[in-house]
Amino acid sequence: KNEVEQSPQNLTAQEGEFITINCSYSVGISALHWLQQHPGGGIVSLFMLSSGKKKHGRLIATINIQEKHSSLHITASHPRDSAVYICAVVMYSGGGADGLTFGKGTHLIIQP
Amino acid sequence: DGGITQSPKYLFRKEGQNVTLSCEQNLNHDAMYWYRQDPGQGLRLIYYSQIVNDFQKGDIAEGYSVSREKKESFPLTVTSAQKNPTAFYLCASSLKRGGTQYFGPGTRLTVL
Repeated sequence: KNEVEQSPQNLTAQEGEFITINCSYSVGISALHWLQQHPGGGIVSLFMLSSGKKKHGRLIATINIQEKHSSLHITASHPRDSAVYICAVVMYSGGGADGLTFGKGTHLIIQP
Repeated sequence: DGGITQSPKYLFRKEGQNVTLSCEQNLNHDAMYWYRQDPGQGLRLIYYSQIVNDFQKGDIAEGYSVSREKKESFPLTVTSAQKNPTAFYLCASSLKRGGTQYFGPGTRLTVL
């Protein structure tokens, strides 16, 4: 069974700081997702990665398939970035569910 | 506007009653998923469907049932057999198996 571990669980930072959230997983995957959940509960998909690096605005996601590790970076963080960031993986097909396996999330607070 | 909707947003039921949560999408996606979220835990997959008239159990299917009679709709029934039904339920869809998932706003179910 694939385990998805995120660190840190909680992170409080000052506005403008560079933020890094880490995700590691234990078995082979076909893709990794980074999701953002706001206090109301709604979830937005930020990135889907299978290799390399993706950038969208101030958000950057990287993945190292050999090391089974991914990072989400936020540059020039802002209070509106405060949310729970969730890492989720898609296991290789052929066994198990095709849904996502989720980490527990990183609760990020950016203080003004 | 294309999207995925869930209703109702808040739902209360008495212990021993079955209740059905609605999930509708107009994105023309083949795959649909139901997840459950509990405080301090990652989301967990209940059921998923890759195509109309087909669905598969996820990691925590006991006490739940689903149907997929139409491409757009994937209702989840929480039966009286589900021992701890109070949770936040999220529906998602993706164009194809393993693709980027789009999430609904969620339904918060409370059993009284």
